[in-house]
Amino acid sequence: DGGITQSPKYLFRKEGQNVTLSCEQNLNHDAMYWYRQDPGQGLRLIYYSQIVNDFQKGDIAEGYSVSREKKESFPLTVTSAQKNPTAFYLCASSITLLENIQYFGAGTRLSVL
Amino acid sequence: DAKTTQPPSMDCAEGRAANLPCNHSTISGNEYVYWYRQIHSQGPQYIIHGLKNNETNEMASLIITEDRKSSTLILPHATLRDTAVYYCIVSPYYNQGGKLIFGQGTELSVKP
Repeated sequence: DGGITQSPKYLFRKEGQNVTLSCEQNLNHDAMYWYRQDPGQGLRLIYYSQIVNDFQKGDIAEGYSVSREKKESFPLTVTSAQKNPTAFYLCASSITLLENIQYFGAGTRLSVL
Repeated sequence: DAKTTQPPSMDCAEGRAANLPCNHSTISGNEYVYWYRQIHSQGPQYIIHGLKNNETNEMASLIITEDRKSSTLILPHATLRDTAVYYCIVSPYYNQGGKLIFGQGTELSVKP
């Protein structure tokens, strides 16, 4: 089945630790996105990528980093500089960057130990 | 992008139609109305979109008023699995930067 796979489903981070969230898609989409969702809130855009080896900061990029070495993969690293990382992280993709029809993964819930 | 206003919550009886309203009085001529839903602890799911004509697909129907200042998403026969937060989003069809602006949405509870 085509879709977006995020892993792990749950992740725990220790103080000062960097953690990486995986996002893989087999939809052959050019554009990929990372959003953060806090309880009872809407989604906020962290980073997005239009094509391989290109990515742009979203509204809340501080404390996060990404890479796009392959079309199907867009991992997100939550660095130790992100002081409030506890949230639900969602990865999405679309055919192109301009599309409003985005396909989402099931999410990764990150908590701090 | 135009702002949207949705009721925070609604209830619906299983098997009945669920009608979810959205106000977007500042919508501009090139902006479409998109609907997504998010089941608890899952990623959002695209439902339907439209410009000015009514639209229907296998999931739902979208009714947009003639002045385009409001719309209604209709789930014709709601099931328990339709319990979710429903988001109405207004955006140009080609969205530079690709960011979807999700507001607070409407939490729909379908009850037996």
